[in-house]
Amino acid sequence: DTGVSQNPRHKITKRGQNVTFRCDPISEHNRLYWYRQTLGQGPEFLTYFQNEAQLEKSRLLSDRFSAERPKGSFSTLEIQRTEQGDSAMYLCASSFRTDQETQYFGPGTRLLVL
Amino acid sequence: AQTVTQSQPEMSVQEAETVTLSCTYDTSESDYYLFWYKQPPSRQMILVIRQEAYKQQNATENRFSVNFQKAAKSFSLKISDSQLGDAAMYFCAYRPYSGAGSYQLTFGKGTKLSVIP
Repeated sequence: DTGVSQNPRHKITKRGQNVTFRCDPISEHNRLYWYRQTLGQGPEFLTYFQNEAQLEKSRLLSDRFSAERPKGSFSTLEIQRTEQGDSAMYLCASSFRTDQETQYFGPGTRLLVL
Repeated sequence: AQTVTQSQPEMSVQEAETVTLSCTYDTSESDYYLFWYKQPPSRQMILVIRQEAYKQQNATENRFSVNFQKAAKSFSLKISDSQLGDAAMYFCAYRPYSGAGSYQLTFGKGTKLSVIP
């Protein structure tokens, strides 16, 4: 399977704990995106990497959130001191730089903060 | 800021019939992309169809076609010969062609499509 993969698929944690999610993009895709999707809503943009450089962060990405993409390959999204409002599906997508790029999404990590 | 509106939270269609999902958007850009994504229950989002704003011809992909009205900022999706596997959430999305925000998709809230056997 050469699609975008995300791990874990589900995560239950207690409020105040830290969690980390991983995304492995499609091979040779140099752009990687993180989105958050809450129940009944469309995905909302969080952050974007081109290779290893994080080029943009949304206002939604508070100081408790940090994302990395070492060596321009996989990416991690960490949430520190989780809050119940962080409960959501976290989606990763990747794309290759062409004139008409399309973002390919992974299956997501569903986070539940108790 | 760009916004995408899907005014139909839920739709249903009989198997083999045709259904149209609506989407409107607001932007001051002249060049942009529009997308329809499908998200089946508990499965990942996949691209259904894409339209470049500079192309007047409406995009088609097999049973899926769009009606792109640039002046009206309308981008509807028509699904012909509906199949049970078409049941899913459908999201309309927008992306500028270049400049600030050209890397991020702006999504609508989605339309849940049910297909009745």
